[in-house]
Amino acid sequence: KQEVTQIPAALSVPEGENLVLNCSFTDSAIYNLQWFRQDPGKGLTSLLLIQSSQREQTSGRLNASLDKSSGRSTLYIAASQPGDSATYLCAVPTQYNFNKFYFGSGTKLNVKP
Amino acid sequence: GAVVSQHPSWVICKSGTSVKIECRSLDFQATTMFWYRQFPKQSLMLMATSNEGSKATYEQGVEKDKFLINHASLTLSTLTVTSAHPEDSSFYICSASAGQADTQYFGPGTRLTVL
Repeated sequence: KQEVTQIPAALSVPEGENLVLNCSFTDSAIYNLQWFRQDPGKGLTSLLLIQSSQREQTSGRLNASLDKSSGRSTLYIAASQPGDSATYLCAVPTQYNFNKFYFGSGTKLNVKP
Repeated sequence: GAVVSQHPSWVICKSGTSVKIECRSLDFQATTMFWYRQFPKQSLMLMATSNEGSKATYEQGVEKDKFLINHASLTLSTLTVTSAHPEDSSFYICSASAGQADTQYFGPGTRLTVL
């Protein structure tokens, strides 16, 4: 069974810092990997999707990398802002059932003004 | 972009009653919808997958008689928590996809509290 781990569980940084969130997964046979943002009491917003054949994806201040062989992905947030405060989740569907997502438990980010 | 809505956004009910949660795809036809449950400070766990017009497929450990899922149209799926108990209190999130390999779009979630 796929297990997805996110480190750290929580992170508090001053505004303007660059930061890295980590995601690891045990089964490297993945279809793709997605990073989501979840605001308190809300649903999920997709941030970035990396296909299994890709190494990274960028959107604005966000950059996600994928190293499938080592079972790792990182989400890099540049010049963090208070509005980035949220919980960030990574999720992987398996190659055998790409509709079945395994989610990490998330990293709760607090960016202080 | 594709929008998925859920109703209600929150509900409080007494133990033993049944609660229905709706998930709608507003601007696309969702052939597949998914239901997730999220306990406080934990991640999302997939409960079941439903395809329009057919029976839902439940994940291991999820009671199908407890969590009734109906996907009668291409824009609506419902989750009914039957005879709810306090341990069913959770955040329920649905997602919808236009096809097997298509992106899943997530709803805003429904907070269920069972007293």
